[in-house]
Amino acid sequence: AQTVTQSQPEMSVQEAETVTLSCTYDTSESDYYLFWYKQPPSRQMILVIRQEAYKQQNATENRFSVNFQKAAKSFSLKISDSQLGDAAMYFCAYRSANSNYQLIWGAGTKLIIKP
Amino acid sequence: DGGITQSPKYLFRKEGQNVTLSCEQNLNHDAMYWYRQDPGQGLRLIYYSQIVNDFQKGDIAEGYSVSREKKESFPLTVTSAQKNPTAFYLCASSIDLSPYGYTFGSGTRLTVV
Repeated sequence: AQTVTQSQPEMSVQEAETVTLSCTYDTSESDYYLFWYKQPPSRQMILVIRQEAYKQQNATENRFSVNFQKAAKSFSLKISDSQLGDAAMYFCAYRSANSNYQLIWGAGTKLIIKP
Repeated sequence: DGGITQSPKYLFRKEGQNVTLSCEQNLNHDAMYWYRQDPGQGLRLIYYSQIVNDFQKGDIAEGYSVSREKKESFPLTVTSAQKNPTAFYLCASSIDLSPYGYTFGSGTRLTVV
């Protein structure tokens, strides 16, 4: 069975600095998708960025980028120029491209932005 | 605009009562999901449904029930058998085998009083 691990329960960063959140996963599949979701204090889950495993190029969305290392089964999220509005829980998730619909979730990392 | 609507936003339940949380989507998504989230924790899957009139238990289905009579609707009933129902409940939907992940509702906060 697939698993997703986020080893950092909490991270803090100074406003305008860069922070990297870690995520590792375990799977025997070769075709899958990876996601980072953000859950701010409002508790609305928001998709931040996604990556298809067959793509070697790392996904980027404005200040958010990933470092996808398929062989190492690592999928870290880098947030550049951190802003106060980035404070949230961040969840990493895995989805098979071939089997069922379900997302497999990590436990989350709480990101604190220091002004 | 398409999306998922969860209601109510806040719900209070007395001991021994059944309560139903509503989840409606107009995205024409096939699959729908219910998650429970406890404070400072991740998401735990309660039930999911891939098609109308069919649903499957997730990791923590005991004390909960669902129905999927319409594609748009996936209500969750928290029964009196659920001993610790106070939590935040999230509904989500997705397209079959889509690379786009899930779309989430805004959640329902259930409190036992």
